[in-house]
Amino acid sequence: GDSVTQMEGPVTLSEEAFLTINCTYTATGYPSLFWYVQYPGEGLQLLLKATKADDKGSNKGFEATYRKETTSFHLEKGSVQVSDSAVYFCALSSGYSTLTFGKGTMLLVSP
Amino acid sequence: NAGVTQTPKFQVLKTGQSMTLQCAQDMNHEYMSWYRQDPGMGLRLIHYSVGAGITDQGEVPNGYNVSRSTTEDFPLRLLSAAPSQTSVYFCASFRTSGFPNTGELFFGEGSRLTVL
Repeated sequence: GDSVTQMEGPVTLSEEAFLTINCTYTATGYPSLFWYVQYPGEGLQLLLKATKADDKGSNKGFEATYRKETTSFHLEKGSVQVSDSAVYFCALSSGYSTLTFGKGTMLLVSP
Repeated sequence: NAGVTQTPKFQVLKTGQSMTLQCAQDMNHEYMSWYRQDPGMGLRLIHYSVGAGITDQGEVPNGYNVSRSTTEDFPLRLLSAAPSQTSVYFCASFRTSGFPNTGELFFGEGSRLTVL
């Protein structure tokens, strides 16, 4: 079945540091890929998405590129802020309605 | 613009009690789902629905019931609560722009349930 593997956290960074959160997947066919973010005490929000190979999703300074050859969708940001502290979830969908999520990676950014 | 609304936000139950978590969405989404979030486990799908009158099981359906009588509402029922059901529950509705899935899953703010 489908599965998503994310690097374990927490990831601890200083403000303005470079961020990478690794995500790899296993799926049948050609899934769509997503990054969701969960701020403390809130539900998940879509951060960015990519629907086909080599697509780059981007939002709020975050980027991720759909790499079919390595089955990866790593999340990157050039300069993190304290306000980026949250839990980040990688997810995929190879069907019509349900998403498969990774276990989430907590990011902690200190001033 | 309410989006996905879950009630209650917090609930404490005793083992064996029953309760219903409510979920309503005002976006006319056909697809709705329930997830539970546990530390170190990420989100796990409990049940989902692709439209009124149609429901299906997800990864962890045991101990939970759902029904979908209207497009807007998708309640989750715990028939006999157990401590293992202590979790944060999220309802989510789905917008799609065709097959394959290219849509966004909209989440409620969550319901924190404690079973003693």
